[in-house]
Amino acid sequence: NAGVTQTPKFQVLKTGQSMTLQCAQDMNHNSMYWYRQDPGMGLRLIYYSASEGTTDKGEVPNGYNVSRLNKREFSLRLESAAPSQTSVYFCASRSTPDQPQHFGDGTRLSIL
Amino acid sequence: QKEVEQDPGPLSVPEGAIVSLNCTYSNSAFQYFMWYRQYSRKGPELLMYTYSSGNKEDGRFTAQVDKSSKYISLFIRDSQPSDSATYLCAMFKAAGNKLTFGGGTRVLVKP
Repeated sequence: NAGVTQTPKFQVLKTGQSMTLQCAQDMNHNSMYWYRQDPGMGLRLIYYSASEGTTDKGEVPNGYNVSRLNKREFSLRLESAAPSQTSVYFCASRSTPDQPQHFGDGTRLSIL
Repeated sequence: QKEVEQDPGPLSVPEGAIVSLNCTYSNSAFQYFMWYRQYSRKGPELLMYTYSSGNKEDGRFTAQVDKSSKYISLFIRDSQPSDSATYLCAMFKAAGNKLTFGGGTRVLVKP
């Protein structure tokens, strides 16, 4: 029972490089989410997809794009990475609006 | 002022003690409440999920919600060193997509 799987687990980028973080869930959930977690700032929502075919901005969307590839997969793209995007990124999913979200183990991203 | 307040700790207790964690919130629109456990270098793991005011028990864990006071609690009985982690409270509104998290409380259970 994999749940929510994120790849890669670690990545180091140089400023200006691009990168796509991958997320896949095997729970047949409708909604998927991308968060970043920073010390002192907690978990903040970047983008979400309430259902296949839709995406919406969260609290901190600037500098990111997302794609809901199909029901299982939701990717996060950094087009031109900046040091301020150094963070731990978590993907989450849930089945219906009255259910809790389930998280993956994160991607640790460092931008030099 | 943050929507959800949670003492960051650290909270250090001896093995076997009861761990008591709590969060206060300001928005009465929050309807669903969760507690997550996060180990170092891991993602948040759902521990407890409640909707109504009152108590919910699952093994050594008890979650309490008091909507009138805007206060939620998590109790861990017979704490073990393996309970050492950061505990995050989270909540969301009915039909809402945004989870609002507390900042997390770091707990250390000493053998």
